[in-house]
Amino acid sequence: GQQLNQSPQSMFIQEGEDVSMNCTSSSIFNTWLWYKQDPGEGPVLLIALYKAGELTSNGRLTAQFGITRKDSFLNISASIPSDVGIYFCAGHYAGKSTFGDGTTLTVKP
Amino acid sequence: KAGVTQTPRYLIKTRGQQVTLSCSPISGHRSVSWYQQTPGQGLQFLFEYFSETQRNKGNFPGRFSGRQFSNSRSEMNVSTLELGDSALYLCASSFTQGVSGELFFGEGSRLTVL
Repeated sequence: GQQLNQSPQSMFIQEGEDVSMNCTSSSIFNTWLWYKQDPGEGPVLLIALYKAGELTSNGRLTAQFGITRKDSFLNISASIPSDVGIYFCAGHYAGKSTFGDGTTLTVKP
Repeated sequence: KAGVTQTPRYLIKTRGQQVTLSCSPISGHRSVSWYQQTPGQGLQFLFEYFSETQRNKGNFPGRFSGRQFSNSRSEMNVSTLELGDSALYLCASSFTQGVSGELFFGEGSRLTVL
């Protein structure tokens, strides 16, 4: 079946630093999505990408849909303590979403 | 607009029992998907319902089943519980998931099997 490789698995950064994480797959997806999950809650959609090569921003977050449709990255600029959480990428194809294993982000004040 | 509501939030069962979890989607959303989340396996797709019909199914045994009602509310059932079924079960709704993939998740039902 389809699998996503998300990296890094975890990150420990200082407040104010930029963050970069990515997802790769051997399969093509029509849509790439990024979610954030806070402790005790369900994932929340951050950014959705629909076209190969598309670059989309949402505040301090920027995500790109890889040109081969097999990868995506998420950047967070000037991190703040509330950025702490688990970030998931998801690829969507034929009515099904496949999720990466998540990147756990810790931000030290 | 109210979000996705899942009940119960927490429950404890013993091996061999069965459990039913409930999900009320966002008003107007007709697609409901279920996911199992465990530390070791991440988010695993269980099944998706649209207009009371199961449209997609993940790789889970037949002990896992679901249904959707005419008001789009959904339930999932796990029979003959095993220790490995302990997990956070997440429900997600979308207007039509098959098109965009944009999911709106509930807070989940945390199941512990003893």
